[in-house]
Amino acid sequence: AQKVTQAQTEISVVEKEDVTLDCVYETRDTTYYLFWYKQPPSGELVFLIRRNSFDEQNEISGRYSWNFQKSTSSFNFTITASQVVDSAVYFCALSEGGSYNQGGKLIFGQGTELSVKP
Amino acid sequence: GAVVSQHPSRVICKSGTSVKIECRSLDFQATTMFWYRQFPKQSLMLMATSNEGSKATYEQGVEKDKFLINHASLTLSTLTVTSAHPEDSSFYICSAREGLAGHVTDTQYFGPGTRLTVL
Repeated sequence: AQKVTQAQTEISVVEKEDVTLDCVYETRDTTYYLFWYKQPPSGELVFLIRRNSFDEQNEISGRYSWNFQKSTSSFNFTITASQVVDSAVYFCALSEGGSYNQGGKLIFGQGTELSVKP
Repeated sequence: GAVVSQHPSRVICKSGTSVKIECRSLDFQATTMFWYRQFPKQSLMLMATSNEGSKATYEQGVEKDKFLINHASLTLSTLTVTSAHPEDSSFYICSAREGLAGHVTDTQYFGPGTRLTVL
């Protein structure tokens, strides 16, 4: 069965601190996708990144970076020099590869609420 | 690109009435759209998968006669909550999966959500 675990329910940091959000997943498939989404107080989910199971290269985008390790089934997300605007709920999600018209369901973790204080 | 709109953003209705929520992919075609429900401080729960031109696939425990889904075109899916009751009050979110002919990117883009309050 597929499962995504975000063990950290809430994290509180002070502005400019670095913070890492953990994500551990379970799947039997060899082809799958991992995602991170941000949900600010407005409620809309914002897509941050997608990584497929064959690409273990870490990625950096500005202050954001992601560490994908298949050996530990983890896909952790680090925010460097956090800012108040980073305050949101962050969701990690797993999708097993779907065909053109089938599958592709997202399995979400429980979310981590990040609070960045000035 | 990859913008999904949802309408209305907020609706308050009386118990027993039906409410329709629209989800549109504005700049891409989406053969597959998804409907989620989210309770406060909780994760998203998938309700159903909607494929253009065919019947929706509902998740276990979701009443298909209560939550009617129609996906009549490649850019529009609708969710109708029939005979709504207070326990149906929730935040409903749709997503559209970007899908090009013969290839699926598997990235879902989400609408801004609809907050339904049933009195």
